[in-house]
Amino acid sequence: AQRVTQPEKLLSVFKGAPVELKCNYSYSGSPELFWYVQYSRQRLQLLLRHISRESIKGFTADLNKGETSFHLKKPFAQEEDSAMYYCALNGDDKIIFGKGTRLHILP
Amino acid sequence: DAGVIQSPRHEVTEMGQEVTLRCKPISGHNSLFWYRQTMMRGLELLIYFNNNVPIDDSGMPEDRFSAKMPNASFSTLKIQPSEPRDSAVYFCASSLNQGAEAFFGQGTRLTVV
Repeated sequence: AQRVTQPEKLLSVFKGAPVELKCNYSYSGSPELFWYVQYSRQRLQLLLRHISRESIKGFTADLNKGETSFHLKKPFAQEEDSAMYYCALNGDDKIIFGKGTRLHILP
Repeated sequence: DAGVIQSPRHEVTEMGQEVTLRCKPISGHNSLFWYRQTMMRGLELLIYFNNNVPIDDSGMPEDRFSAKMPNASFSTLKIQPSEPRDSAVYFCASSLNQGAEAFFGQGTRLTVV
């Protein structure tokens, strides 16, 4: 069965400090993994996907198949990063999400 | 393209009433997903369609919930009868093909009193 786990419901980080949002997954095949972000009063939107291996808004995420993890990282947090972040897995044609982590950047 | 369009944006209804949520996916996308968002459970996948055919409805919580996709440009999620515990934000999303990202609508905030 597919499963996505985000262990932290809330993460508070000071501006300028590093950020790491954790995501672990369970899937028997080869998954497609994504991070989505939901800013206040906006719709969910894609932040990045593992296959593109790119940095978006300073965020990166590396797929670690050994640890079945896809943690989201940013070296220096900015106030505009405050949002809800969801890790997602696309396997067997359906996209499932973790419960989300609310990132709160402290001034 | 205006993106995924959901209506209504807000719905307040009394317990026992029928509720119908509507979704227009992005033109050309062949997968459509319905999700429910709550504080406790986050984003739950209720049902998804591929080429207008329901593929997996295992996430639909009860028989009171039903979804249809009569054509490639329209889908509905119906709750009958509605209950207070159905209060949540319901999102519709569409994607182009397997492995592609999902594009979300603005959501419908449902309140059942």
